[in-house]
Amino acid sequence: ETGVTQTPRHLVMGMTNKKSLKCEQHLGHNAMYWYKQSAKKPLELMFVYSLEERVENNSVPSRFSPECPNSSHLFLHLHTLQPEDSALYLCASSQGTSVRNEQFFGPGTRLTVL
Amino acid sequence: AQTVTQSQPEMSVQEAETVTLSCTYDTSESDYYLFWYKQPPSRQMILVIRQEAYKQQNATENRFSVNFQKAAKSFSLKISDSQLGDAAMYFCAYRSAWDGSGGSNYKLTFGKGTLLTVNP
Repeated sequence: ETGVTQTPRHLVMGMTNKKSLKCEQHLGHNAMYWYKQSAKKPLELMFVYSLEERVENNSVPSRFSPECPNSSHLFLHLHTLQPEDSALYLCASSQGTSVRNEQFFGPGTRLTVL
Repeated sequence: AQTVTQSQPEMSVQEAETVTLSCTYDTSESDYYLFWYKQPPSRQMILVIRQEAYKQQNATENRFSVNFQKAAKSFSLKISDSQLGDAAMYFCAYRSAWDGSGGSNYKLTFGKGTLLTVNP
């Protein structure tokens, strides 16, 4: 595997389910990000982890819970979601969080909440 | 707060021709970076080109070039000799150059995107 991978690629869940999205980066980076991409809306930054510590929580509801056990892995735990949470969730990584460090994106998980 | 506007939801171009995608932004900052990202269908988003606001020279990357007008807050992307593989959603994005004390200003502000179709 190379670059940034995300699993699953597609997920359908009910509002009472609990599920997790997984992201893995194979680039030796030390910063990871979760973005939400909704139809007809700009990408929204959700969370940022730097050196496995959360450094940004962009006013995200508590039904989204991130976890970064090490610099290569990032999870997004989901529980009691709403239909409006249906979106493409993108993970990204970079070497450092400076603006000069390019963010590399994964292919995304397409989430549908019924 | 910064905003990024892409006024063209969709564009099309004939193969081998040139197309320009528009982007305007609003900011009170003087130092920042602007980006164009490409997101092909069902594939990763990749960085196409980056422009540093304090550099007057327009960035170029092979067939991709930008027209950066700082006073007008305009940042358009020109794709020359369009190829079928250029078909994708293109996003314009802004990020402050200020890294902040004790950390970084992490937020990339994106536009809504322009869907580019390349016709053979």
